[in-house]
Amino acid sequence: KQEVTQIPAALSVPEGENLVLNCSFTDSAIYNLQWFRQDPGKGLTSLLLIQSSQREQTSGRLNASLDKSSGRSTLYIAASQPGDSATYLCAVTTGANSKLTFGKGITLSVRP
Amino acid sequence: GAGVSQSPSNKVTEKGKDVELRCDPISGHTALYWYRQSLGQGLEFLIYFQGNSAPDKSGLPSDRFSAERTGGSVSTLTIQRTQQEDSAVYLCASSRREGSNSPLHFGNGTRLTVT
Repeated sequence: KQEVTQIPAALSVPEGENLVLNCSFTDSAIYNLQWFRQDPGKGLTSLLLIQSSQREQTSGRLNASLDKSSGRSTLYIAASQPGDSATYLCAVTTGANSKLTFGKGITLSVRP
Repeated sequence: GAGVSQSPSNKVTEKGKDVELRCDPISGHTALYWYRQSLGQGLEFLIYFQGNSAPDKSGLPSDRFSAERTGGSVSTLTIQRTQQEDSAVYLCASSRREGSNSPLHFGNGTRLTVT
């Protein structure tokens, strides 16, 4: 059974800091990995999707990397801003037609 | 364009009553998921519809839960004889097609409170 872990559960940083959010998964035979952002009372917004054959994806100040063999992914946020405050979740799917398995998320607070 | 729409946004019901939650996916999206998010918990998979294939119902927690997807578009999640432990946010998501590397698009969810 695939399990996804995100540690720590919460993180508080000052504005401007570069930071890394970690995600680990137990079954390395994944199809893809996605990072999502969730704002309070809202649904999830997809940030980046990394296919199993890829090593990283970038969008603006965000960069996500994937190391399948070690079962790890990181989300790098450059020059953090208060508007980046949200919960960040990673999720993996183990097949083309499989459901996503989510971690519990990391709640990020960026202090002005 | 329009995103995934869920209704109602909030639902308060008495224990023992039945509820129906509705999801309108993005037009043309053939894959549709239901997830449940409880306070302090991660997203719990409930059911997955993929085109015309039989749905993956492996996440439904009990036989009080059922879901339909009519005409490959709108989906309804029904909870019969609701219990207090059913209180959660129910999230629906869709993606362009099954078997693809298309990202999931989520609705804002229905917050269900069972009193």
